[in-house]
Amino acid sequence: GQQLNQSPQSMFIQEGEDVSMNCTSSSIFNTWLWYKQDPGEGPVLLIALYKAGELTSNGRLTAQFGITRKDSFLNISASIPSDVGIYFCAGNSEGQGGKLIFGQGTELSVKP
Amino acid sequence: NAGVTQTPKFQVLKTGQSMTLQCAQDMNHNSMYWYRQDPGMGLRLIYYSASEGTTDKGEVPNGYNVSRLNKREFSLRLESAAPSQTSVYFCASLRLPNQPQHFGDGTRLSIL
Repeated sequence: GQQLNQSPQSMFIQEGEDVSMNCTSSSIFNTWLWYKQDPGEGPVLLIALYKAGELTSNGRLTAQFGITRKDSFLNISASIPSDVGIYFCAGNSEGQGGKLIFGQGTELSVKP
Repeated sequence: NAGVTQTPKFQVLKTGQSMTLQCAQDMNHNSMYWYRQDPGMGLRLIYYSASEGTTDKGEVPNGYNVSRLNKREFSLRLESAAPSQTSVYFCASLRLPNQPQHFGDGTRLSIL
């Protein structure tokens, strides 16, 4: 079946540093999504990508849909303490009825 | 506008007990999903309903049943709970297959 590998699993950074995380898939995706999950809450959508090569920003967050359609990355610039949480990538293939495959998550810790 | 509402938020069960987790969305979304989240494994799809009146198995359906009661509500039932079903359960919905899923805040289920 489809697999999605997300790395790194965890990151410990200093406030103000930039962060990068990525996901790679064993198959082609039509949509890449990045979610953030705070403790005790459900995932919240950060960025949605729909075209190969697409580069989209949301404030300090930037994500790209890889041109091979098998990968995506998320960058966070100038991290702040409220960036702490678990970040998930998710992908959707043609004909899957909206079903998403999720990465294992990247747990981000930011030291003030 | 509540979005996706899950009840209960917490539940402790004994092995062998049955339980129904409720999910309702007020966004007029067509598709609804049930996931479980376990440490280091991301979100895994249990069952989904692409549209009212249809349900299909996801990645980890064993031990669960679902009912799409109407367009708003999608319930998940554990007929005979097992300790391996201790997890955090998330319900999600979306309007069209190429759009992102919206998540509830989860149900934390412990089975002793």
